[in-house]
Amino acid sequence: GENVEQHPSTLSVQEGDSAVIKCTYSDSASNYFPWYKQELGKGPQLIIDIRSNVGEKKDQRIAVTLNKTAKHFSLHITETQPEDSAVYFCAASTGFGNEKLTFGTGTRLTIIP
Amino acid sequence: GAGVSQTPSNKVTEKGKYVELRCDPISGHTALYWYRQSLGQGPEFLIYFQGTGAADDSGLPNDRFFAVRPEGSVSTLKIQRTERGDSAVYLCASSLRQNSPLHFGNGTRLTVT
Repeated sequence: GENVEQHPSTLSVQEGDSAVIKCTYSDSASNYFPWYKQELGKGPQLIIDIRSNVGEKKDQRIAVTLNKTAKHFSLHITETQPEDSAVYFCAASTGFGNEKLTFGTGTRLTIIP
Repeated sequence: GAGVSQTPSNKVTEKGKYVELRCDPISGHTALYWYRQSLGQGPEFLIYFQGTGAADDSGLPNDRFFAVRPEGSVSTLKIQRTERGDSAVYLCASSLRQNSPLHFGNGTRLTVT
């Protein structure tokens, strides 16, 4: 089955700087890659997603890049703010639907004011 | 509008007991998913419903776990003869259609003593 690895497990950045989180996946058939933000005591919240027919997607301060050949994808957060502090998860899914997501182990991002 | 609602938010039970966890999806969402999240890990897929039927239950760990969605809306995850290893946060998600993004609830934290 699919295996998703995520790095780093923890990341601290100064407010205003950029943060990058990287994930690799094993199943070349994976075609959907969402990123979730999870705050303490809450469920994961979708922040951005990308499909395999697109190499890059941007939404304001957040961007995701996908390299299908290398089987890795990355989350980029620019101009970080204290409210960006949370645990971030990448995930991958195969097939037509998004039902069977395989998640990475998470990155705890801390923004230092 | 209202998001995915899960009840109870916390459940403590003794080893060997039976528990039911409830999920109210976003109104109009046809697809419903159950995931399980252990401490410090990403969510793991359990089961997926499209309408009333379980389209994929390959993530259920064993036959002590069962889920239903009799009217295509509310779902109940049932765990028989609970074990300490069942302790985790059980997350429910829904999506408008099979290939739409997943929206997670805040989960039920199950503790088996």
